[in-house]
Amino acid sequence: QSALTQPPSASGSPGQSVTISCIGTSSDVGDYDSVSWYQQHPGKAPKLIIYEVNKRPSGVPVRFSGSKSGNTASLTVSGLQTEDEATYFCSSYEVTNILIFGGGTNLTVL
Amino acid sequence: QLRLQESGPGLVKPSETLALTCTVSGDSIRNYPSYWAWIRQPPGKGLEWIGSLFYSGSTYFNPSLKSRVTISVDTSKNHFSLSLTSVTAADTAVYYCATHGSLSLGVITFRGQGTMVTVSS
Repeated sequence: QSALTQPPSASGSPGQSVTISCIGTSSDVGDYDSVSWYQQHPGKAPKLIIYEVNKRPSGVPVRFSGSKSGNTASLTVSGLQTEDEATYFCSSYEVTNILIFGGGTNLTVL
Repeated sequence: QLRLQESGPGLVKPSETLALTCTVSGDSIRNYPSYWAWIRQPPGKGLEWIGSLFYSGSTYFNPSLKSRVTISVDTSKNHFSLSLTSVTAADTAVYYCATHGSLSLGVITFRGQGTMVTVSS
């Protein structure tokens, strides 16, 4: 199995929107609506912010949204706030009954 | 609310076995219809799923670790455990215990703070 591919870094100014991609294959992202996104601040455990491609857990701000097209999933953060500066990981179910993660994207709020 | 707490030695010697426990509070493992999972994160790197155990006993493992991993549950102590044999420096990581529903949806909730394990002589 291969890890999902994410850009190592992304950035935006407060109030702007930024989109982070997560590239998989037809054996994972492309064939299952099981993409999740996690936010991790330094020294903290990851926090689920998007599940099943585009669903938000209770308490997650609406400025976080998810989508998928083919083998690529995306996380969009609209109206960037300073507290959004963190590392974001995507994950997906893979056809051989395993869970795989992306390498993570460090989001900087300029 | 369900809470998890990882515990175990912070230092393990190469070639030995890493053993961690995740203590569950707020509900009973026996009655909670969930997968109990272990995930790790080497320093400065990404997340790696180690494996999951369904409360009824089914287990699933990362193929790259499967030959060295055991995940078990002790309902009498309301905890589940991770055993990783023949460790090397590459196994140095923060280890998290977590829960998730259906494996095919993979919605992981990290309910513990994680525990750092260093493999070194």
